[in-house]
Amino acid sequence: DAKTTQPPSMDCAEGRAANLPCNHSTISGNEYVYWYRQIHSQGPQYIIHGLKNNETNEMASLIITEDRKSSTLILPHATLRDTAVYYCIVRVAGDYGGSQGNLIFGKGTKLSVKP
Amino acid sequence: EAQVTQNPRYLITVTGKKLTVTCSQNMNHEYMSWYRQDPGLGLRQIYYSMNVEVTDKGDVPEGYKVSRKEKRNFPLILESPSPNQTSLYFCASSFGGLNSPLHFGNGTRLTVT
Repeated sequence: DAKTTQPPSMDCAEGRAANLPCNHSTISGNEYVYWYRQIHSQGPQYIIHGLKNNETNEMASLIITEDRKSSTLILPHATLRDTAVYYCIVRVAGDYGGSQGNLIFGKGTKLSVKP
Repeated sequence: EAQVTQNPRYLITVTGKKLTVTCSQNMNHEYMSWYRQDPGLGLRQIYYSMNVEVTDKGDVPEGYKVSRKEKRNFPLILESPSPNQTSLYFCASSFGGLNSPLHFGNGTRLTVT
């Protein structure tokens, strides 16, 4: 089962920041938080990931709370093309092998960016 | 351009006719994996491979085979497809480990009649 909780849907006005929350209260100390998105039926697209510190790249920013029990993905200036399902995933630690490579996808948040 | 390439994008076949979906990556990744995506069930891992000649079952391996003879290729084989294998399939790859993002292909939509 997914170790994260996300709202099923959110709306955002075009040009505004989209802030997508995620709860992961059972996260372990060496588990990373990953964010992916999926536009229609395309392959999931990697956005960003982090362990403890906040992270930023050309696509988004990731804010992780100090206790690591929740995080927020920020798309600074949402466009219509950012409409997608966004998945917050805690990468499961385990024996070296498949459990480290696997991503367990939950239901995600359907973000609708509106003109 | 770094990418994971799957072929074909769309495939319609009949029950019992063996098929192979190819997956290739050009990023020198050790880890490769196959997922299937079904409505209401999300993405589920079928098989994965840690490196050449090393493969293992994921969560839903029944009815599938894989091979990893070369680092860049990881084909998915359905020896005797059945209608319940109608799904959207994704191949993915990474360097492996918790700190290495998984990169996905664009998907293969398979219909078995």
